[in-house]
Amino acid sequence: QQPVQSPQAVILREGEDAVINCSSSKALYSVHWYRQKHGEAPVFLMILLKGGEQKGHEKISASFNEKKQQSSLYLTASQLSYSGTYFCGTEHELQGAQKLVFGQGTRLTINP
Amino acid sequence: EPEVTQTPSHQVTQMGQEVILRCVPISNHLYFYWYRQILGQKVEFLVSFYNNEISEKSEIFDDQFSVERPDGSNFTLKIRSTKLEDSAMYFCASSEVGRYYGYTFGSGTRLTVV
Repeated sequence: QQPVQSPQAVILREGEDAVINCSSSKALYSVHWYRQKHGEAPVFLMILLKGGEQKGHEKISASFNEKKQQSSLYLTASQLSYSGTYFCGTEHELQGAQKLVFGQGTRLTINP
Repeated sequence: EPEVTQTPSHQVTQMGQEVILRCVPISNHLYFYWYRQILGQKVEFLVSFYNNEISEKSEIFDDQFSVERPDGSNFTLKIRSTKLEDSAMYFCASSEVGRYYGYTFGSGTRLTVV
């Protein structure tokens, strides 16, 4: 079951903040976040396991709300290099460990 | 930094022909995956592979697709009789053991079926 991301696209000025959401209708075991720049492969940012933990990676952090089956990616003080499409990927409780299904992506554009 | 290597970077084939896409995963990774991305769209799961067998596959991964690890380093995706709608970017990925690690993706093979 594909997770749903929102918003579909975000346009920011450099230095502004953004939040990207990812939700699932099924019980989640883990949520991955990846960034893909145009013409390149997705690059792993972070993984969150069930337990509601929050992780950080420079000015990019994420949370996982197990009860709501939702994850949010937070980008603070955005830089031009943050531009790209962000995908969440989810693994579900009852499926095999090796089936990461991606959302439809959120295109982030950072303008100077 | 270790990389996942995919060859070729671009392949053009005629409809009905067989293609083999090749991948060399990171050497200490034990889980391998194939994904595809039709231009500008989402990244779609095709198949995962562990311990020399398929772990999971999607509904896209029908009888025309197969995967193989012919030796200790290569991981291949074969499409037996290509269709126009198979045109996409195909990504190979690998990960370490367990559900706690992210995936490392290769740079992809752009397959164009004409």
